Amino acid sequence: GAVVSQHPSWVICKSGTSVKIECRSLDFQATTMFWYRQFPKQSLMLMATSNEGSKATYEQGVEKDKFLINHASLTLSTLTVTSAHPEDSSFYICSARDSPAVTFGSGTRLTVV
Amino acid sequence: GNSVTQMEGPVTLSEEAFLTINCTYTATGYPSLFWYVQYPGEGLQLLLKATKADDKGSNKGFEATYRKETTSFHLEKGSVQVSDSAVYFCALSDGSNYKLTFGKGTLLTVNP
Repeated sequence: GAVVSQHPSWVICKSGTSVKIECRSLDFQATTMFWYRQFPKQSLMLMATSNEGSKATYEQGVEKDKFLINHASLTLSTLTVTSAHPEDSSFYICSARDSPAVTFGSGTRLTVV
Repeated sequence: GNSVTQMEGPVTLSEEAFLTINCTYTATGYPSLFWYVQYPGEGLQLLLKATKADDKGSNKGFEATYRKETTSFHLEKGSVQVSDSAVYFCALSDGSNYKLTFGKGTLLTVNP
């Protein structure tokens, strides 16, 4: 079946640095990918919809300049957390549209110290 | 807006016990409803879904029925196994089936 690879699975970074998370569809082309965020004991919250070749669509309350999304090819979307702070520590997970289904990556645990 | 409420965990059961994880939702229109499962260290996998009222989704012994009158989509399994230990997410989609609203997740641990 469809596979989405997300990398890294966990990362620790210093406050003020930037971190890039990759989401790849391995055996299918994904024109649309989604980025979610999950705080401890909370729901997965949709952050943005990533569309290949165009700007991402961000959900209300998500800072575009803070969470940069690039979807430059049909198999890769990246999320860059810029100038990370401890409050950005969270679990980030992507999904890719593989009509008629959606396939999720395994997630990235980000810890900002 | 849309929301999904599922029972708080963790849930701990013995093997072969009966499982119910409650899920209720709030949505405009007629959403599609899903249960996803996340095994340790893995991504979310679609477990089952239902796209209209009274539909029953089923997979791997799990079942859930779309109840419009009670806005519910409770997950059930008659006899759980140790391998069912995972986090279970209830979710809905009100349009494209691609943008999802999730519940908080319920951690299930099944002991031998």
